[in-house]
Amino acid sequence: GAGVSQSPRYKVAKRGQDVALRCDPISGHVSLFWYQQALGQGPEFLTYFQNEAQLDKSGLPSDRFFAERPEGSVSTLKIQRTQQEDSAVYLCASTIRTGAAAAQYFGPGTRLLVL
Amino acid sequence: EDQVTQSPEALRLQEGESSSLNCSYTVSGLRGLFWYRQDPGKGPEFLFTLYSAGEEKEKERLKATLTKKESFLHITAPKPEDSATYLCAVQGAQKLVFGQGTRLTINP
Repeated sequence: GAGVSQSPRYKVAKRGQDVALRCDPISGHVSLFWYQQALGQGPEFLTYFQNEAQLDKSGLPSDRFFAERPEGSVSTLKIQRTQQEDSAVYLCASTIRTGAAAAQYFGPGTRLLVL
Repeated sequence: EDQVTQSPEALRLQEGESSSLNCSYTVSGLRGLFWYRQDPGKGPEFLFTLYSAGEEKEKERLKATLTKKESFLHITAPKPEDSATYLCAVQGAQKLVFGQGTRLTINP
């Protein structure tokens, strides 16, 4: 079946530009997560949705980062006024159920380069 | 704060040479420990979930084990296609916390 998809796969932005990254989770998956992965590091948690509710946004690095999932399916991560330190791979993951210890299934990621 | 440390950072093996990857963790109330495989340019691919000390799971040439302080990913008679970065993550009360990964290279 179809997995998690993300678009665009690559994004080059000039410093100061706004960007929007899209995530299509596996159909029927209730929970959706965003992660940031720097080169050579493991993914770091950014934010978590259960259906349309954003239950945890403790990992968002600054108020320039904003995520939404208005209809409980597709999610968008928006970064305003991008900075060079925002360059990373942004990963989206989804799980079929709520609660802890559910395996998360990841998309291929969006590689963001800020010049 | 939940923490995960993986060792070694990188490991080179010859095809058929068995070895183990280590994941040491500290977590408040472990709900699950996860192993993922990540190929270059791709997202992490789920391998195993372990829930309690003493649990073991196997898949092809891989076997994951869990104690109260660490997990091991044993790879038996590896093949070049097993080359990848292997990530360990723990789920405590809240978010999933990842280690930095072990980059495994299997030479033919």
